[in-house]
Amino acid sequence: KQEVTQIPAALSVPEGENLVLNCSFTDSAIYNLQWFRQDPGKGLTSLLLIQSSQREQTSGRLNASLDKSSGRSTLYIAASQPGDSATYLCAISPSGYALNFGKGTSLLVTP
Amino acid sequence: GAGVSQSPSNKVTEKGKDVELRCDPISGHTALYWYRQSLGQGLEFLIYFQGNSAPDKSGLPSDRFSAERTGGSVSTLTIQRTQQEDSAVYLCASSSRVSGGQGEHGYTFGSGTRLTVV
Repeated sequence: KQEVTQIPAALSVPEGENLVLNCSFTDSAIYNLQWFRQDPGKGLTSLLLIQSSQREQTSGRLNASLDKSSGRSTLYIAASQPGDSATYLCAISPSGYALNFGKGTSLLVTP
Repeated sequence: GAGVSQSPSNKVTEKGKDVELRCDPISGHTALYWYRQSLGQGLEFLIYFQGNSAPDKSGLPSDRFSAERTGGSVSTLTIQRTQQEDSAVYLCASSSRVSGGQGEHGYTFGSGTRLTVV
């Protein structure tokens, strides 16, 4: 089974900083990679989906990159805000449906 | 509906009892998934339904777990003879196609059912 690792496990930054969350996976044969956000007591919200043929996706202040050859993805958050505080989950799809998730990075953005 | 709906949102049950968890996916989504999130663990894939095809049950942890999807819509996850290690948040998701869903956002998850076995 694909192993998905997210570093760091937790991160605290002051408001306004740019930050990078890291995700690594053990097998480059993936169908796609997704980044999700999870708020306490709530389900997951899909942020960005990168197909295996793509290198990056952007949505607003978020940019996700994918390097299959090195088994890495990064989620870049520009000009962080307190409302960005949440757990960010990386998930890869080896087959096109089931997802393998990392354990997440817990982000706290302080005012 | 507008989103994926799960019920109940919380369930406390005694060890050894059976429980049923319900998921109502987004209308028109052909794919439906169940995941489990245990404390301190990542999300774990349980089962996948796609249209009328046989489900992929490869993630179910034991034969006490089963799921069905009636009429290609609502799904029920059943856990028989619950154990304390079954305590977790059970999340359901749906998508419109195998490759991950419509638009750029793939899956849509429900808010989950928090199951506590005492």
